[in-house]
This record gives sequence, structure tokens and C-alpha cells, in this order.
Amino acid sequence: EAGVAQSPRYKIIEKRQSVAFWCNPISGHATLYWYQQILGQGPKLLIQFQNNGVVDDSQLPKDRFSAERLKGVDSTLKIQPAKLEDSAVYLCASSLKAQGNTGELFFGEGSRLTVL
Amino acid sequence: DAKTTQPTSMDCAEGRAANLPCNHSTISGNEYVYWYRQIHSQGPQYIIHGLKNNETNEMASLIITEDRKSSTLILPHATLRDTAVYYCIVRVVNDYKLSFGAGTTVTVRA
Repeated sequence: EAGVAQSPRYKIIEKRQSVAFWCNPISGHATLYWYQQILGQGPKLLIQFQNNGVVDDSQLPKDRFSAERLKGVDSTLKIQPAKLEDSAVYLCASSLKAQGNTGELFFGEGSRLTVL
Repeated sequence: DAKTTQPTSMDCAEGRAANLPCNHSTISGNEYVYWYRQIHSQGPQYIIHGLKNNETNEMASLIITEDRKSSTLILPHATLRDTAVYYCIVRVVNDYKLSFGAGTTVTVRA
């Protein structure tokens, strides 16, 4: 079974530039999450999708971050304009929400962003 | 608003059992205890979870105290590949999203 795919793995940009990250979840997983992980900290949830609808985006800095999940499969996370403090690893995860399921989240390897 | 407390770091000898404590004194009756680990440069990986009873799988054992206010993750025979950050997470039954703390950095030494 293929895992969660993310790209690019690494990205370096100047502050005030824009960047986009892509995520392809595990086939059949209706729930998709984007997490931000700053060096030395645990991952922080940015946004949660159920199919193509947003369930929770309370911690997404909406003045500069946006995310979409068209057709309920792939998702993109965009940052515009980037700030120095956005330097982090952006992790995508997916889960299969079903009765009796463990509720396990499957994570991708992440996209590491460096803002100079 | 951290729901769990874990030691910042711990060392373990290769081949020995590693016992990772977690305090979750404010846990509610409808909350599970989940454990994930994150090996360097990888995304977090599910290990095990439990509600009230002790659980065991091929990776680890989870011991939950009777009052559910604390738990211990046991890696029975630690290997160098178990070096990682281990996260103890309390999660509401029907809400799949996870709130991570800082975790415990476990270093397994030869």
C-alpha cells in the first residue's frame, strides 16, 4: 500500500515570496491533515479536511496560509507571503475514519521549508 | 494547554527494555491514550493506543494505571533504530486529530 506522498521535500525561498506544498493521501482516506513542525517542537495542526470540506482550521494563519482539497483527494498548502518564522517542516497526514478503526494517522515524510 | 507530561529525554541501553512514562492526570472517560514516535527526518509513526486496558502489539506494550492518570510505553528490547522522539497523546474517541506536545527524546546506546 502506497503511503502519503508529499512534494517538494525541500524548498528554500526568500521572505515575502510564495510557496506551495502538495500532498497525495493514502487511497480511500477521507480525512486529511496539514501540520507544521518547527525545529525542536512537536507538530502543530494547521487544518483538517473531511473529504473536500474543512473540519478545523482554527490554527491556520489565514492572512498568509491557505489550503484546499479539490475533489476530496489531493491537497495543496500555500504560503503567501512567507515570513522567516514560517521556516518549518510541513507534514501531511491522512486517516480512515470508520467504525472500529484504530484512528491511526499516516504521515508523509514532510516538506522542509527554509525562509531566508 | 498540554494534556500530557513527559520527560524531555532518556537514554536506554541496546537490548534492554525502555520504559517511557506519561502523565495525563486530567484525562476524561472518552479519551484514548495514543503513542507515536518520530524518527529523525521522518513523519510521526503510530505505535499503540489504549482506553483502559493494557495493550500489546508487535512494536510495544502500553500499561495504563487503573485511575487512567498515567501510562507507560514499554519497548521490550530496544534497538538503535528505536532512537526517536516519542509522543504520548490524549485523544477524544470520535475526534481523530492529534495534538502533539514536545515528546520524549529517546536515545538507544550500544
